[in-house]
Amino acid sequence: AQSVTQPDIHITVSEGASLELRCNYSYGATPYLFWYVQSPGQGLQLLLKYFSGDTLVQGIKGFEAEFKRSQSSFNLRKPSVHWSDAAEYFCAVASNTGGFKTIFGAGTRLFVKA
Amino acid sequence: KAGVTQTPRYLIKTRGQQVTLSCSPISGHRSVSWYQQTPGQGLQFLFEYFSETQRNKGNFPGRFSGRQFSNSRSEMNVSTLELGDSALYLCASSLGSGANNEQFFGPGTRLTVL
Repeated sequence: AQSVTQPDIHITVSEGASLELRCNYSYGATPYLFWYVQSPGQGLQLLLKYFSGDTLVQGIKGFEAEFKRSQSSFNLRKPSVHWSDAAEYFCAVASNTGGFKTIFGAGTRLFVKA
Repeated sequence: KAGVTQTPRYLIKTRGQQVTLSCSPISGHRSVSWYQQTPGQGLQFLFEYFSETQRNKGNFPGRFSGRQFSNSRSEMNVSTLELGDSALYLCASSLGSGANNEQFFGPGTRLTVL
């Protein structure tokens, strides 16, 4: 069965520190992977996506993610966190199996301390 | 270009009532998907419509239904509301139907069932 696991429910980092959010997926075929960010009471904004090609993908707001097929991972990174990055982050895999749908992880809430 | 719009943004209903939520996709987008977001279950896929046809449906009871119009606007309906239907309902649109299509999310409709 297709699934996405985000092992960290919440993470706290200091402003200016680096960030890595973990994501593991289970999917039989070539995965289409995404990271979204959601601010309180808002919809989802796409940070970046991986479809194929270069396994290191760059996104908006200074985020990047690396696809590692051998580890079934798609971790999100940012070298220096800003207070405005505090939000909830969702990793997702899009699937065509049985029809198009997107499967989301449970999310990681990021807290940024001054 | 206008983004995905959802109306209403907030809704309060009582148990047993029914509700209709509306989603207007980005101009030119033909696929609309619906998701339910709750603190306990996270983001769950409800259904996807493409060219007025339901292409895929998630694991929700028949009280949840939807439709898509010729202009790609979509509505979802929940009948006989239960307390557990309280959630943020998100709509997403994409150009085509399939995992390689980027989805753009609306701000959501917050439904509270009393």
